[in-house]
Amino acid sequence: EAGVAQSPRYKIIEKRQSVAFWCNPISGHATLYWYQQILGQGPKLLIQFQNNGVVDDSQLPKDRFSAERLKGVDSTLKIQPAKLEDSAVYLCASSFVFGSYNEQFFGPGTRLTVL
Amino acid sequence: AQTVTQSQPEMSVQEAETVTLSCTYDTSESDYYLFWYKQPPSRQMILVIRQEAYKQQNATENRFSVNFQKAAKSFSLKISDSQLGDAAMYFCAYRSPAGGTSYGKLTFGQGTILTVHP
Repeated sequence: EAGVAQSPRYKIIEKRQSVAFWCNPISGHATLYWYQQILGQGPKLLIQFQNNGVVDDSQLPKDRFSAERLKGVDSTLKIQPAKLEDSAVYLCASSFVFGSYNEQFFGPGTRLTVL
Repeated sequence: AQTVTQSQPEMSVQEAETVTLSCTYDTSESDYYLFWYKQPPSRQMILVIRQEAYKQQNATENRFSVNFQKAAKSFSLKISDSQLGDAAMYFCAYRSPAGGTSYGKLTFGQGTILTVHP
């Protein structure tokens, strides 16, 4: 079974530039999550989708971050414009159904460096 | 809001020995789920073990076991017969039941770096 795919794996940009990350969840997984993991900290949920609808985006900085999940499969997370404090690893995860016990499977992450 | 605290930034253990990683959490909910995740240097997060709060029996997965103390809001991870491949960052995580205001999201602790010495 293929895991959660993310691209790119690494990205370096200048502040005020734009960047986009892509995630392909495990086939059949209805729930998709984007987490931000700053160096030395635990992941923090940015946004959660159930199929193509947003369930929770309370911690997404909506003035600069946006995310979409077209057709309930792939998802894209965008930052525009980037700030220095956005330097982090962005993790995508998916789970089969929306529910507390269902395991979240994580992708390898995208490491973003903002200069 | 729920919080998860891991008070040990770093731990080390000799190969084949046993180590315990600590985790405490704060919640007003009675029903919830707790997890331990392992994040090796390659950064792919892997589920190690999970525990439902309504179960009194501590979860066990091979060399990994937990000590769940609901009243104390404590959830420690014990790794027995430590192996070099156990070296990683370990995260404790809390999840509310679906249907509540937290939508079942995972709240992570700060992590504990585990080093295994040969």
